[in-house]
Amino acid sequence: SYVLTQPPSVSVAPGQTARVSCGGNNIETKSVHWYQQKPGQAPVLVLHDDSDRPSGIPERFSGSNSGNTATLTISRVEAGDEADYYCHVWDRSNDHRVFGGGTKLTVL
Amino acid sequence: EVRLVESGGGLGQPGRSLRLSCAASGFTFDEYAMHWVRQVPGKGLEWVAGISWDSGTIAYADSVKGRFTVSRDNAKNSLFLQVNSLRAEDTALYYCAKVRYPSTTSSYFDYWGQGTLVTVSS
Repeated sequence: SYVLTQPPSVSVAPGQTARVSCGGNNIETKSVHWYQQKPGQAPVLVLHDDSDRPSGIPERFSGSNSGNTATLTISRVEAGDEADYYCHVWDRSNDHRVFGGGTKLTVL
Repeated sequence: EVRLVESGGGLGQPGRSLRLSCAASGFTFDEYAMHWVRQVPGKGLEWVAGISWDSGTIAYADSVKGRFTVSRDNAKNSLFLQVNSLRAEDTALYYCAKVRYPSTTSSYFDYWGQGTLVTVSS
């Protein structure tokens, strides 16, 4: 089965740029989606199809996908961005959905 | 406004069964695939099962295949998850989620419910 690997944690100072990676075999051939989850809340979609932002998501959130790594980039990080972030793909081979293990973003 | 409201969670004994429900509103339910995703408290998201708009395509995570059954009643705008042979490792918050685009099973999830907690313990 397809596996997505994320770093457990990323820390960044306010105003700096945070990058959250999501590794998977030849992930560039898949559409990667990203969700933000704050404590006690349901996940919220922040990026879909590698780099598209749903309405209401700030332009500070961007994404890329190349080779074996997809990346969520958050520019000018704010305290309110502190959350867990999950990547997500559809594994066409078995019609399964796969989530990465999640990355806790800490704003210092 | 899209709303997804899960119910049916609670305390279940090992080996017993529970039936989770998800009541949907604010969109044309019978046009969209729906999914269940669970989360052990303090841990990550785990996809559990998905069902197409017409129940013609159903998929399960390997960890639950053979024990869980996903179904839907389009006339009642409801999604279900029958959880049999409960195990301690099934303890989790169970979310239902809607896919973004109609008539497709491969889309991402644009709306999530708030979840229903299942606790398996004797």
